[in-house]
Order: sequence, then structure tokens, then C-alpha cells
Amino acid sequence: AQSVTQPDIHITVSEGASLELRCNYSYGATPYLFWYVQSPGQGLQLLLKYFSGDTLVQGIKGFEAEFKRSQSSFNLRKPSVHWSDAAEYFCAQRDSNYQLIWGAGTKLIIKP
Amino acid sequence: DVKVTQSSRYLVKRTGEKVFLECVQDMDHENMFWYRQDPGLGLRLIYFSYDVKMKEKGDIPEGYSVSREKKERFSLILESTSTNQTSMYLCASSLLDRRTGGEQYFGPGTRLTVT
Repeated sequence: AQSVTQPDIHITVSEGASLELRCNYSYGATPYLFWYVQSPGQGLQLLLKYFSGDTLVQGIKGFEAEFKRSQSSFNLRKPSVHWSDAAEYFCAQRDSNYQLIWGAGTKLIIKP
Repeated sequence: DVKVTQSSRYLVKRTGEKVFLECVQDMDHENMFWYRQDPGLGLRLIYFSYDVKMKEKGDIPEGYSVSREKKERFSLILESTSTNQTSMYLCASSLLDRRTGGEQYFGPGTRLTVT
């Protein structure tokens, strides 16, 4: 079965430091991949997506992600985090029925 | 911008009461979804719909039903609530279009508490 793995449940980063959130997918020669962010008590907002073209994709709020087929990974990065980036981040992969397979999420904590 | 709205942000119900959660999207999306989200369990799909009057069971449909009478509206019904249905309920919609990738757009969520 398809699966999306986010190995880190929580990550703590100092404000101003760089960030990398990991995501591994399990299926598809050309996967459709997404990163979403969820602020406390809110719905999910799409940060960025990849399904073809340049393997480094830019998203909103200064985030980027790199697709690496050899590692089945789609890691999310940001060069310098802000306190407002504290949230939960979800990686997802689209299946052939247009449903999304979700990772369990990574909660980002920002240290002042 | 796509807008997905949900009828309530917070609801408190007693065990056995009926709950009707409504979701409306304004971008003519074919697909609509209902999820529940619980700490440590991530997002779990309850039901989805590809078109008007069509519905498909997701991973956890037990205790829920849905209705899609109009393309823009997808309702989740809890006929007789139980305490284990206390959760955050999220509605989403997406285009059935290979060119867009199928990303889903979410509403703000409804936090349901059953006492």
C-alpha cells in the first residue's frame, strides 16, 4: 500500500535558524507531492506542490522543497525560520483516484 | 482564491444528538472530502464525493453519512453522536484535472465536542 512517512513527530528550531522537514513517499514513478501547513485551530494551507519539471520547487512563506527520486524524498526547507512558522506540517502524495495519502505530520516548535 | 467554508467552527453536542456539518466551496470543484483529525492519528478520510449525488467511503465511514445534492455543497451527518466522535472535522475540495495535480483546498475546520 502507498504510504507517506514523516519520521519526525516534533522538531525544535531556534528563530533565525534553518529548517528541514523530512518526507518519504512510497509509490509512483512520477509522484504528485504536496506540503501543507496547519496553524493551531485552523485548516490546512497548501505551501507547495511538485508533479513535474524542476525538482526544486518554491512555495509560499519562503519555503522550498526538493524532490529526489533516488531517495524517494520530498523534504521541505526554509533558510531562516520565524516565530510565526510554528505550526504542524503535513506531506502528502496524490494517488490514482485523486485522493491524498497523508503523512502523520511534524510539529515545528520555534525557540526564541 | 478558492474558498471553502464550513458551517460552524465549534460545536458542543450531547451523546445521541444528530449533527449536520455543512461544507461549501466556491470554485466549481468536482471532488469534495470529509476528514477527521485527532492528535497522533493525523488526517483520516471519512467520505469523499466525485460528483453530485455520488459518494464513496473513505477509511473510517462508520457512524457517519454524507449528502451531496449540489456540486458546491457536501454535508457530513452524524445521526447519533457518541463521545468517540469528538474531533476536528475538516472539509476539502479539489479539481478533477490532471493538469493541476489534484491539490486539495481546506476549510477552517469544525471542532466538535460530544459530552
